[in-house]
Amino acid sequence: ELKVEQNPLFLSMQEGKNYTIYCNYSTTSDRLYWYRQDPGKSLESLFVLLSNGAVKQEGRLMASLDTKARLSTLHITAAVHDLSATYFCAVDQYRGSNYQLIWGAGTKLIIKP
Amino acid sequence: DADVTQTPRNRITKTGKRIMLECSQTKGHDRMYWYRQDPGLGLRLIYYSFDVKDINKGEISDGYSVSRQAQAKFSLSLESAIPNQTALYFCATSETRQGSYEQYFGPGTRLTVT
Repeated sequence: ELKVEQNPLFLSMQEGKNYTIYCNYSTTSDRLYWYRQDPGKSLESLFVLLSNGAVKQEGRLMASLDTKARLSTLHITAAVHDLSATYFCAVDQYRGSNYQLIWGAGTKLIIKP
Repeated sequence: DADVTQTPRNRITKTGKRIMLECSQTKGHDRMYWYRQDPGLGLRLIYYSFDVKDINKGEISDGYSVSRQAQAKFSLSLESAIPNQTALYFCATSETRQGSYEQYFGPGTRLTVT
């Protein structure tokens, strides 16, 4: 059974710093998704990574996927307060006759001025 | 207008009551999902449906039932609500296509069972 682990689960950092959130998963999968959730709000899709070596960037966020290592990273460059949120990764798993998303527990990111 | 809508957005109900949460989508997607979110536990899948005639249990289906009334509508029912069903509930949709099963989420329903 596929398990998805994120670390850290909580991260408090200063504005202007760089940091990386990690998403490890336990069985083979070629597709990984990153979502953002603001407090009390819904989940918003950030990145869809569909193959080994995929890298996507949006503003100060960059996500990458290494399917051989079963690892994705979400890198934050020169953090700003507006990036404070909870970030989830999710991985496709084939179950029964179709694919489902298996979710990590989320990383709560707080960026202090 | 939002592509995925949920009603009600907030609900307080008493133990033992039957309650229905509704989800509608205008994205034209065939797949719909109900999730539950508790603090610190991420998302847990309750039920999912890949078309109107296809309903599947997720990891935490006990105490819940669903109805897919049309491609655009997917309802979640709690037959007899209990306090540990207090949570934030999300509906999501995706489409069947090769390459990606990206899900799109509704705004959520905050349910409190007293």
